[in-house]
Amino acid sequence: DAKTTQPTSMDCAEGRAANLPCNHSTISGNEYVYWYRQIHSQGPQYIIHGLKNNETNEMASLIITEDRKSSTLILPHATLRDTAVYYCIVSAPSGGYQKVTFGTGTKLQVIP
Amino acid sequence: EAGVAQSPRYKIIEKRQSVAFWCNPISGHATLYWYQQILGQGPKLLIQFQNNGVVDDSQLPKDRFSAERLKGVDSTLKIQPAKLEDSAVYLCASSLSGLEQFFGPGTRLTVL
Repeated sequence: DAKTTQPTSMDCAEGRAANLPCNHSTISGNEYVYWYRQIHSQGPQYIIHGLKNNETNEMASLIITEDRKSSTLILPHATLRDTAVYYCIVSAPSGGYQKVTFGTGTKLQVIP
Repeated sequence: EAGVAQSPRYKIIEKRQSVAFWCNPISGHATLYWYQQILGQGPKLLIQFQNNGVVDDSQLPKDRFSAERLKGVDSTLKIQPAKLEDSAVYLCASSLSGLEQFFGPGTRLTVL
């Protein structure tokens, strides 16, 4: 699996957009970009994933650069409940299965 | 829809003792994962099942850890004997498609 690089921590004001960057310069053509988050004392929660195109769901938007070497997760209106560790993961299907390897993520603090 | 269930939520044991964790995945999810999360780190995959077969156990310390999923539904993870460095949160996850994983709340193990 390709390695990802994320900032260790970020702050965001409540109500503002939170933009979490991720570098994955060695990503392969068949590798997806996944985002999970982990709120304190809970298990990780899936947010979104994409291959080439930008994706949006009820939680967030995922912007992937044209060369696929980096991506940004956007939380459009951050709330205090969005305070969590956010993991960016790249992974390709292998033998019909997907292996997800977590790094240390970005700790997002939403400030009132 | 009921989520992934795990028990116990907390366990304290002394080194060299044995311990077992139980996981019941979301109904219909064929893929089940066990992760170990040491404080300050991202989750590390220990073992992955597809139905009752093992897909990946490359990071499972097989001299002391074992896992089974006999009927392709619930699963148990056992540590025998436990070491101090096994202190961690043990997370179970399940997946229908292999793309999105749903995590349980985890079991926090303290080895004294």
